[in-house]
Amino acid sequence: EAGVAQSPRYKIIEKRQSVAFWCNPISGHATLYWYQQILGQGPKLLIQFQNNGVVDDSQLPKDRFSAERLKGVDSTLKIQPAKLEDSAVYLCASSPPQGQGYEKLFFGSGTQLSVL
Amino acid sequence: AQSVTQLGSHVSVSEGALVLLRCNYSSSVPPYLFWYVQYPNQGLQLLLKYTTGATLVKGINGFEAEFKKSETSFHLTKPSAHMSDAAEYFCAVSTFNDMRFGAGTRLTVKP
Repeated sequence: EAGVAQSPRYKIIEKRQSVAFWCNPISGHATLYWYQQILGQGPKLLIQFQNNGVVDDSQLPKDRFSAERLKGVDSTLKIQPAKLEDSAVYLCASSPPQGQGYEKLFFGSGTQLSVL
Repeated sequence: AQSVTQLGSHVSVSEGALVLLRCNYSSSVPPYLFWYVQYPNQGLQLLLKYTTGATLVKGINGFEAEFKKSETSFHLTKPSAHMSDAAEYFCAVSTFNDMRFGAGTRLTVKP
């Protein structure tokens, strides 16, 4: 079974620039999550999708962050403009439908963003 | 919303010694509880999970955790540490598919 795919693996940008991350979840997984993991901290949920609808984006800084999940499959997370404090690893995760182990999340390897 | 507190950001043990990583949670509804491990430059890997039923849960690599509702705890243990156990460990709590993580505990294993 293929895992959660994320790209790019690393990204270095200057502050005020824009950046986008891509995630392809495991086939058939209805729920998709984006987490931000700052060095030395646990992952923080940014946004949760159920199919292509947003379930929870309460911790997403909407003035600069946006995310979409077209057709309920792939997802992109964008930061525009980036700030120094956005330097972190951005993790994508997906989970199966309810009744099929939906409580278990499968994580991608993440995108490490450095904002200079 | 639910939350997790991991006691001790760094734990150091000798090879062969007991590993004990502490996790306490807060939730207004019965939670699902998880332990994840993260090796350097890798993604999070599920060690074990508690959903319902038996409160002592066994996971991969010889780890186990016990759900204690009265203490709101879900501590992770392993009887004998191995060098390959050195990693960052995260406790997480989930309700209604909303998963929140603790800050993590870095485990160091000394030879």
